[in-house]
Amino acid sequence: EAQVTQNPRYLITVTGKKLTVTCSQNMNHEYMSWYRQDPGLGLRQIYYSMNVEVTDKGDVPEGYKVSRKEKRNFPLILESPSPNQTSLYFCASGIPGTAYGYTFGSGTRLTVV
Amino acid sequence: AQSVAQPEDQVNVAEGNPLTVKCTYSVSGNPYLFWYVQYPNRGLQFLLKYITGDNLVKGSYGFEAEFNKSQTSFHLKKPSALVSDSALYFCAVRDINAGNNRKLIWGLGTSLAVNP
Repeated sequence: EAQVTQNPRYLITVTGKKLTVTCSQNMNHEYMSWYRQDPGLGLRQIYYSMNVEVTDKGDVPEGYKVSRKEKRNFPLILESPSPNQTSLYFCASGIPGTAYGYTFGSGTRLTVV
Repeated sequence: AQSVAQPEDQVNVAEGNPLTVKCTYSVSGNPYLFWYVQYPNRGLQFLLKYITGDNLVKGSYGFEAEFNKSQTSFHLKKPSALVSDSALYFCAVRDINAGNNRKLIWGLGTSLAVNP
């Protein structure tokens, strides 16, 4: 089954403790992206990647890092999480230039206390 | 500036009745428009898209959307609502200024409640 898998689904952590949210897709998509979803603000792009070793900032990249060492994986790293990063995070993948829709993961609900 | 507006936070409809979820957009040039649905505790799922061609676009689960260029609207419709259609619906437009970044500009979502 074609899918984007995120882990963990839920995470509660403390301020400053480094964490990684994993994202993996099995569709051989070149393009991947991370979004955060917040009430009243909708979906905002954090980072995106056009292909292996090619990443760039989205609209709200502060406090986040990403890497793309393999085509299938696109982890989101919070080096020093803060409470304002409490949010629902989604990973998505898609084929660039084809106007296809994204395939989204099921989301990771992160709480930073 | 490009934007997408979903003027209704919530839409309530009785099962079996037609439903409409509204979306208006503001972009320069020809828009690429999308509808996604988010069920509770799930990721967003693609419903349908308009790129070019027929103004009436058919998508998944019996949904369709009508592109109206003069009114800059892309309303989502279904002739007969099901209780299982209850979810959060997002309208989005492709950001044409994003270059190779396939970034979408999202509306804030409309919560659809279908009552039995």
